Amino acid sequence: QVQLQESGPGLVKPSQTLSLTCTVSGGSISSGGYYWSWIRQHPGKGLEWIGYIYYSGSTYYNPSLKSRVTISVDTSKNQFSLKLSSVTAADTAVYYCARVYGGNAADYWGQGTLVTVSS
Amino acid sequence: DIQMTQSPSSLSASVGDRVTITCQASQDISNYLNWYQQKPGKAPKLLIYDASNLETGVPSRFSGSGSGTDFTFTISSLQPEDIATYYCQQYDNLPHTFGQGTRLEIK
Repeated sequence: QVQLQESGPGLVKPSQTLSLTCTVSGGSISSGGYYWSWIRQHPGKGLEWIGYIYYSGSTYYNPSLKSRVTISVDTSKNQFSLKLSSVTAADTAVYYCARVYGGNAADYWGQGTLVTVSS
Repeated sequence: DIQMTQSPSSLSASVGDRVTITCQASQDISNYLNWYQQKPGKAPKLLIYDASNLETGVPSRFSGSGSGTDFTFTISSLQPEDIATYYCQQYDNLPHTFGQGTRLEIK
């Protein structure tokens, strides 16, 4: 059974960089056919797709966040990471990592981690 | 970006009722649509992929249909554990986009 677990600071100061890591267990991040994604949900709101990475390192980012987002992968640790720079209060959200089968459907999700941007 | 519009935004139904949620895409997305269920405080769960295919392990009372721009999600007989918010998501074009969600409550 594949499991994903987000980790990282729950509080980030404005203008700083938000950094999260997703650790994958029960399956290899290097197995083909899957894209490893970050999705966020503002408090009480809907879902926003941030971007994804393939194990080879190929990435795609949501254009609305592209200038501030970096997603990377560490196959040796079976992890992938999110960095979001120059954060503001508008980046306060629950951040989920997810496995996207074929780049289409997110079939496994982490439990989500709340990141609050505040001084 | 492709806009996904769900209706209704919320609905109240009784146990055993047939429940239908619609999702409209701002352009033709073929059948590149998923449906997710999200319970409070939990991550979304994939229910339907490719508009009409039931994810493994999902009860058969859930179903999806449609293609092009208009899609329907149905619960044939509402159960108490189905209380959740439901989201459609298109994956025809990047960025993948979600509908605003439909909050389902028990009457």
